[in-house]
Amino acid sequence: AQKITQTQPGMFVQEKEAVTLDCTYDTSDQSYGLFWYKQPSSGEMIFLIYQGSYDEQNATEGRYSLNFQKARKSANLVISASQLGDSAMYFCAMREAITGGGNKLTFGTGTQLKVEL
Amino acid sequence: DVKVTQSSRYLVKRTGEKVFLECVQDMDHENMFWYRQDPGLGLRLIYFSYDVKMKEKGDIPEGYSVSREKKERFSLILESASTNQTSMYLCASSGVGVSPLHFGNGTRLTVT
Repeated sequence: AQKITQTQPGMFVQEKEAVTLDCTYDTSDQSYGLFWYKQPSSGEMIFLIYQGSYDEQNATEGRYSLNFQKARKSANLVISASQLGDSAMYFCAMREAITGGGNKLTFGTGTQLKVEL
Repeated sequence: DVKVTQSSRYLVKRTGEKVFLECVQDMDHENMFWYRQDPGLGLRLIYFSYDVKMKEKGDIPEGYSVSREKKERFSLILESASTNQTSMYLCASSGVGVSPLHFGNGTRLTVT
């Protein structure tokens, strides 16, 4: 069974600083992928970034980058130049293929990030 | 933009009632999902469907059932609501291949 672990229930960061949110995973699959989602207080789930297990480069998307270390089974999210609007809950998730194509996601417990002035 | 719409934002029901949570997506996605979200537990998969009338259990299906009669609509049914089913319920859809799940805004269900 797949397992995602996020060990930081809450984190604080100063505006304009970079912050790393930790995510470790466990799977016996050779082909897998990791997603990161952001959930602001409004409750919507916003897809941020994806990393496939065979991707040679670490994924980047604007101020978001993924520090993927396959041997350590970690896929940490790095947010550069934090903004007040980055305050939210962040979830790491691992995909698993399902019948008919597509994938389901197994989520971690999340990290609540607060950006301070 | 993908739109996933959940029929109710807030719902209050009594113990023992039959509860229907409705979800509609407008992107012709094959796959639809129901998750519940609880503090400290993250999102947990209840059921998913990869085609009309096809469904599979997720990690916590007990006490729930689902229905998918049309491709765009996926319903979650609580046959006899209990207080431990008080939670935030999130519906999602996705296409085939490696594609992100697109979520609705959630239904906060309180069972008293």
